[in-house]
Amino acid sequence: KQEVTQIPAALSVPEGENLVLNCSFTDSAIYNLQWFRQDPGKGLTSLLLIQSSQREQTSGRLNASLDKSSGRSTLYIAASQPGDSATYLCAVGNAGNMLTFGGGTRLMVKP
Amino acid sequence: EAQVTQNPRYLITVTGKKLTVTCSQNMNHEYMSWYRQDPGLGLRQIYYSMNVEVTDKGDVPEGYKVSRKEKRNFPLILESPSPNQTSLYFCASSSLPNYGYTFGSGTRLTVV
Repeated sequence: KQEVTQIPAALSVPEGENLVLNCSFTDSAIYNLQWFRQDPGKGLTSLLLIQSSQREQTSGRLNASLDKSSGRSTLYIAASQPGDSATYLCAVGNAGNMLTFGGGTRLMVKP
Repeated sequence: EAQVTQNPRYLITVTGKKLTVTCSQNMNHEYMSWYRQDPGLGLRQIYYSMNVEVTDKGDVPEGYKVSRKEKRNFPLILESPSPNQTSLYFCASSSLPNYGYTFGSGTRLTVV
């Protein structure tokens, strides 16, 4: 059974820092990997989707990489802002359209 | 605008009173799914549907029912809600094969 782990569970940084969020998964036979953002008590907003044949995707200040063979993905946030404060969830797409979520990284960016 | 719409956003109900949470998507997606999110347990899948009239259990299906009579709608039914079903519920959809999921805004359910 696929297991997805996100490290760290929580992170607090000063505004302007570049930061990296980590996601690891146990079964490398994935279809894709998706990063989401969730604000407290709110829905999930899709940030980036990386298909299994891709190595990375970029959107603005966000860059996500995927290394299927080692079971890892990273989300890089450049020049962090207080508005980036949220929980970031990594989700792996498996066979049968199953989606397995990590526990999330709760990010706080201080002004 | 492509979206998944859930209703209601908030619901407080009493134990045993049947309720339905609706979910509708306008992207012609074949795949739809329900999740619940609880502190410390993350997001867990309740039920999913690969297409009309095709549904299957996820990881935590006990106490829930679903139906998929139309492609766009996937309601979640709680026949006899109990307090342990107090949670934040999300509906999601995707195309087949999976080109990424779109989530609804969530339904916060409280059962007293």
